[in-house]
Amino acid sequence: GQQVMQIPQYQHVQEGEDFTTYCNSSTTLSNIQWYKQRPGGHPVFLIQLVKSGEVKKQKRLTFQFGEAKKNSSLHITATQTTDVGTYFCAGRGTALIFGKGTTLSVSS
Amino acid sequence: DSGVTQTPKHLITATGQRVTLRCSPRSGDLSVYWYQQSLDQGLQFLIQYYNGEERAKGNILERFSAQQFPDLHSELNLSSLELGDSALYFCASSGPGQGAEGTQYFGPGTRLTVL
Repeated sequence: GQQVMQIPQYQHVQEGEDFTTYCNSSTTLSNIQWYKQRPGGHPVFLIQLVKSGEVKKQKRLTFQFGEAKKNSSLHITATQTTDVGTYFCAGRGTALIFGKGTTLSVSS
Repeated sequence: DSGVTQTPKHLITATGQRVTLRCSPRSGDLSVYWYQQSLDQGLQFLIQYYNGEERAKGNILERFSAQQFPDLHSELNLSSLELGDSALYFCASSGPGQGAEGTQYFGPGTRLTVL
């Protein structure tokens, strides 16, 4: 069945360093969504990518959707302590399947 | 605040028992999704309802069942509980589309502890 893999599982960075998480699907996706879950909170929608090769930016966050629509990445430039949390990708094929997430910790 | 409400916030029960988790979607949303989140399994999709009907099924155990009522609130019933069922259970809702399309808005979750 459809699987969405996300790496790395954990990432620790110093404040100011960049961070990237990668998402790979076993099947071609209709779209991909990204969510952020703060510690003790619930997943919150960040963005949706639909087109092949699409790149979207939200301030320091850059989201990319691969040309084959099977992979995606989230890049954070100059991380801040407010960026801590778990970032999930969710790929839509026949259903919306969440990756296991990348947990980001940031030390100041 | 996502507009999705879940009750109770915490639930502690014993093995073998049965519990019911409740979810009210955002106003106007017809789809409700249930997810189980545990430390080692991430966010596992359980089931989706659309306007009262089951739309999609994920990794939901036979001991678990759900329904969506005419007022669109949903309940997740967990029976014959086992220690491994301890997890955070999220409900999410989305807009009028029938599929898992568009943004999903998550509720605050119910933390279930089975002793």
